[in-house]
Amino acid sequence: EVQLVQSGAEVKKPGESLKISCKGSGYSFTTYWIGWVRQMPGKGLEWMGIIYPGDSDTRYSPSFQGQVTISADKSISTAYLQWSGLKASDTAMYYCARKHNCGGDCAFDIWGQGTLVAVSS
Amino acid sequence: SYVLTQPPSVSVAPGKTARITCEGNNIGTKNVHWYQQKPGQAPVLVIYYDSDRPSGIPERFSGSKSGNTATLTISRVEAGDEADYYCQVWDSSSDNPIFGGGTKLTVL
Repeated sequence: EVQLVQSGAEVKKPGESLKISCKGSGYSFTTYWIGWVRQMPGKGLEWMGIIYPGDSDTRYSPSFQGQVTISADKSISTAYLQWSGLKASDTAMYYCARKHNCGGDCAFDIWGQGTLVAVSS
Repeated sequence: SYVLTQPPSVSVAPGKTARITCEGNNIGTKNVHWYQQKPGQAPVLVIYYDSDRPSGIPERFSGSKSGNTATLTISRVEAGDEADYYCQVWDSSSDNPIFGGGTKLTVL
């Protein structure tokens, strides 16, 4: 079964660092782009960035450039999203999603279950 | 940047047809994808490339495009179809995916 499994919920204080994960299985992890999507409470989907685990080519949404770091460890089929200094406004659900291989403007066909990040003093 | 506009809400009675629109400039030149997100769950792809259905998605779900509008149509609506629906395209100028604001489908 093709799936993405994300790490569990996190409760952090402002200023703390955090790294959440997304592990792929059931397919060739290195040959599909993995994107990260934020969903703030009661709001819609926002694309944050995307990585190609095969060579770690990474692209960021302008809204999130410099705010987060996306990485991947292809040896363990895992992508990461990390913050070096969390803010209360980072409180949200974060999803990873696989970009289907179509050579261009493809859909995100497989989604992780989401990781809830709560930041509060 | 490219913007996709969806109505915030659509209501439909069970057994009827729901139509959810997604407007964008020159959307006819782009491939439109649709996602369903039920409360407390991750999004699920229900339509890709304007009108194709992934395996496991009922035939009641269909997609179309005309002019600057893409439409997700759900026939014979069931209570289980109640969810938020998002359209998505890729902005060719930035090579970024763009999501619509989402439409909450309420089954009366």
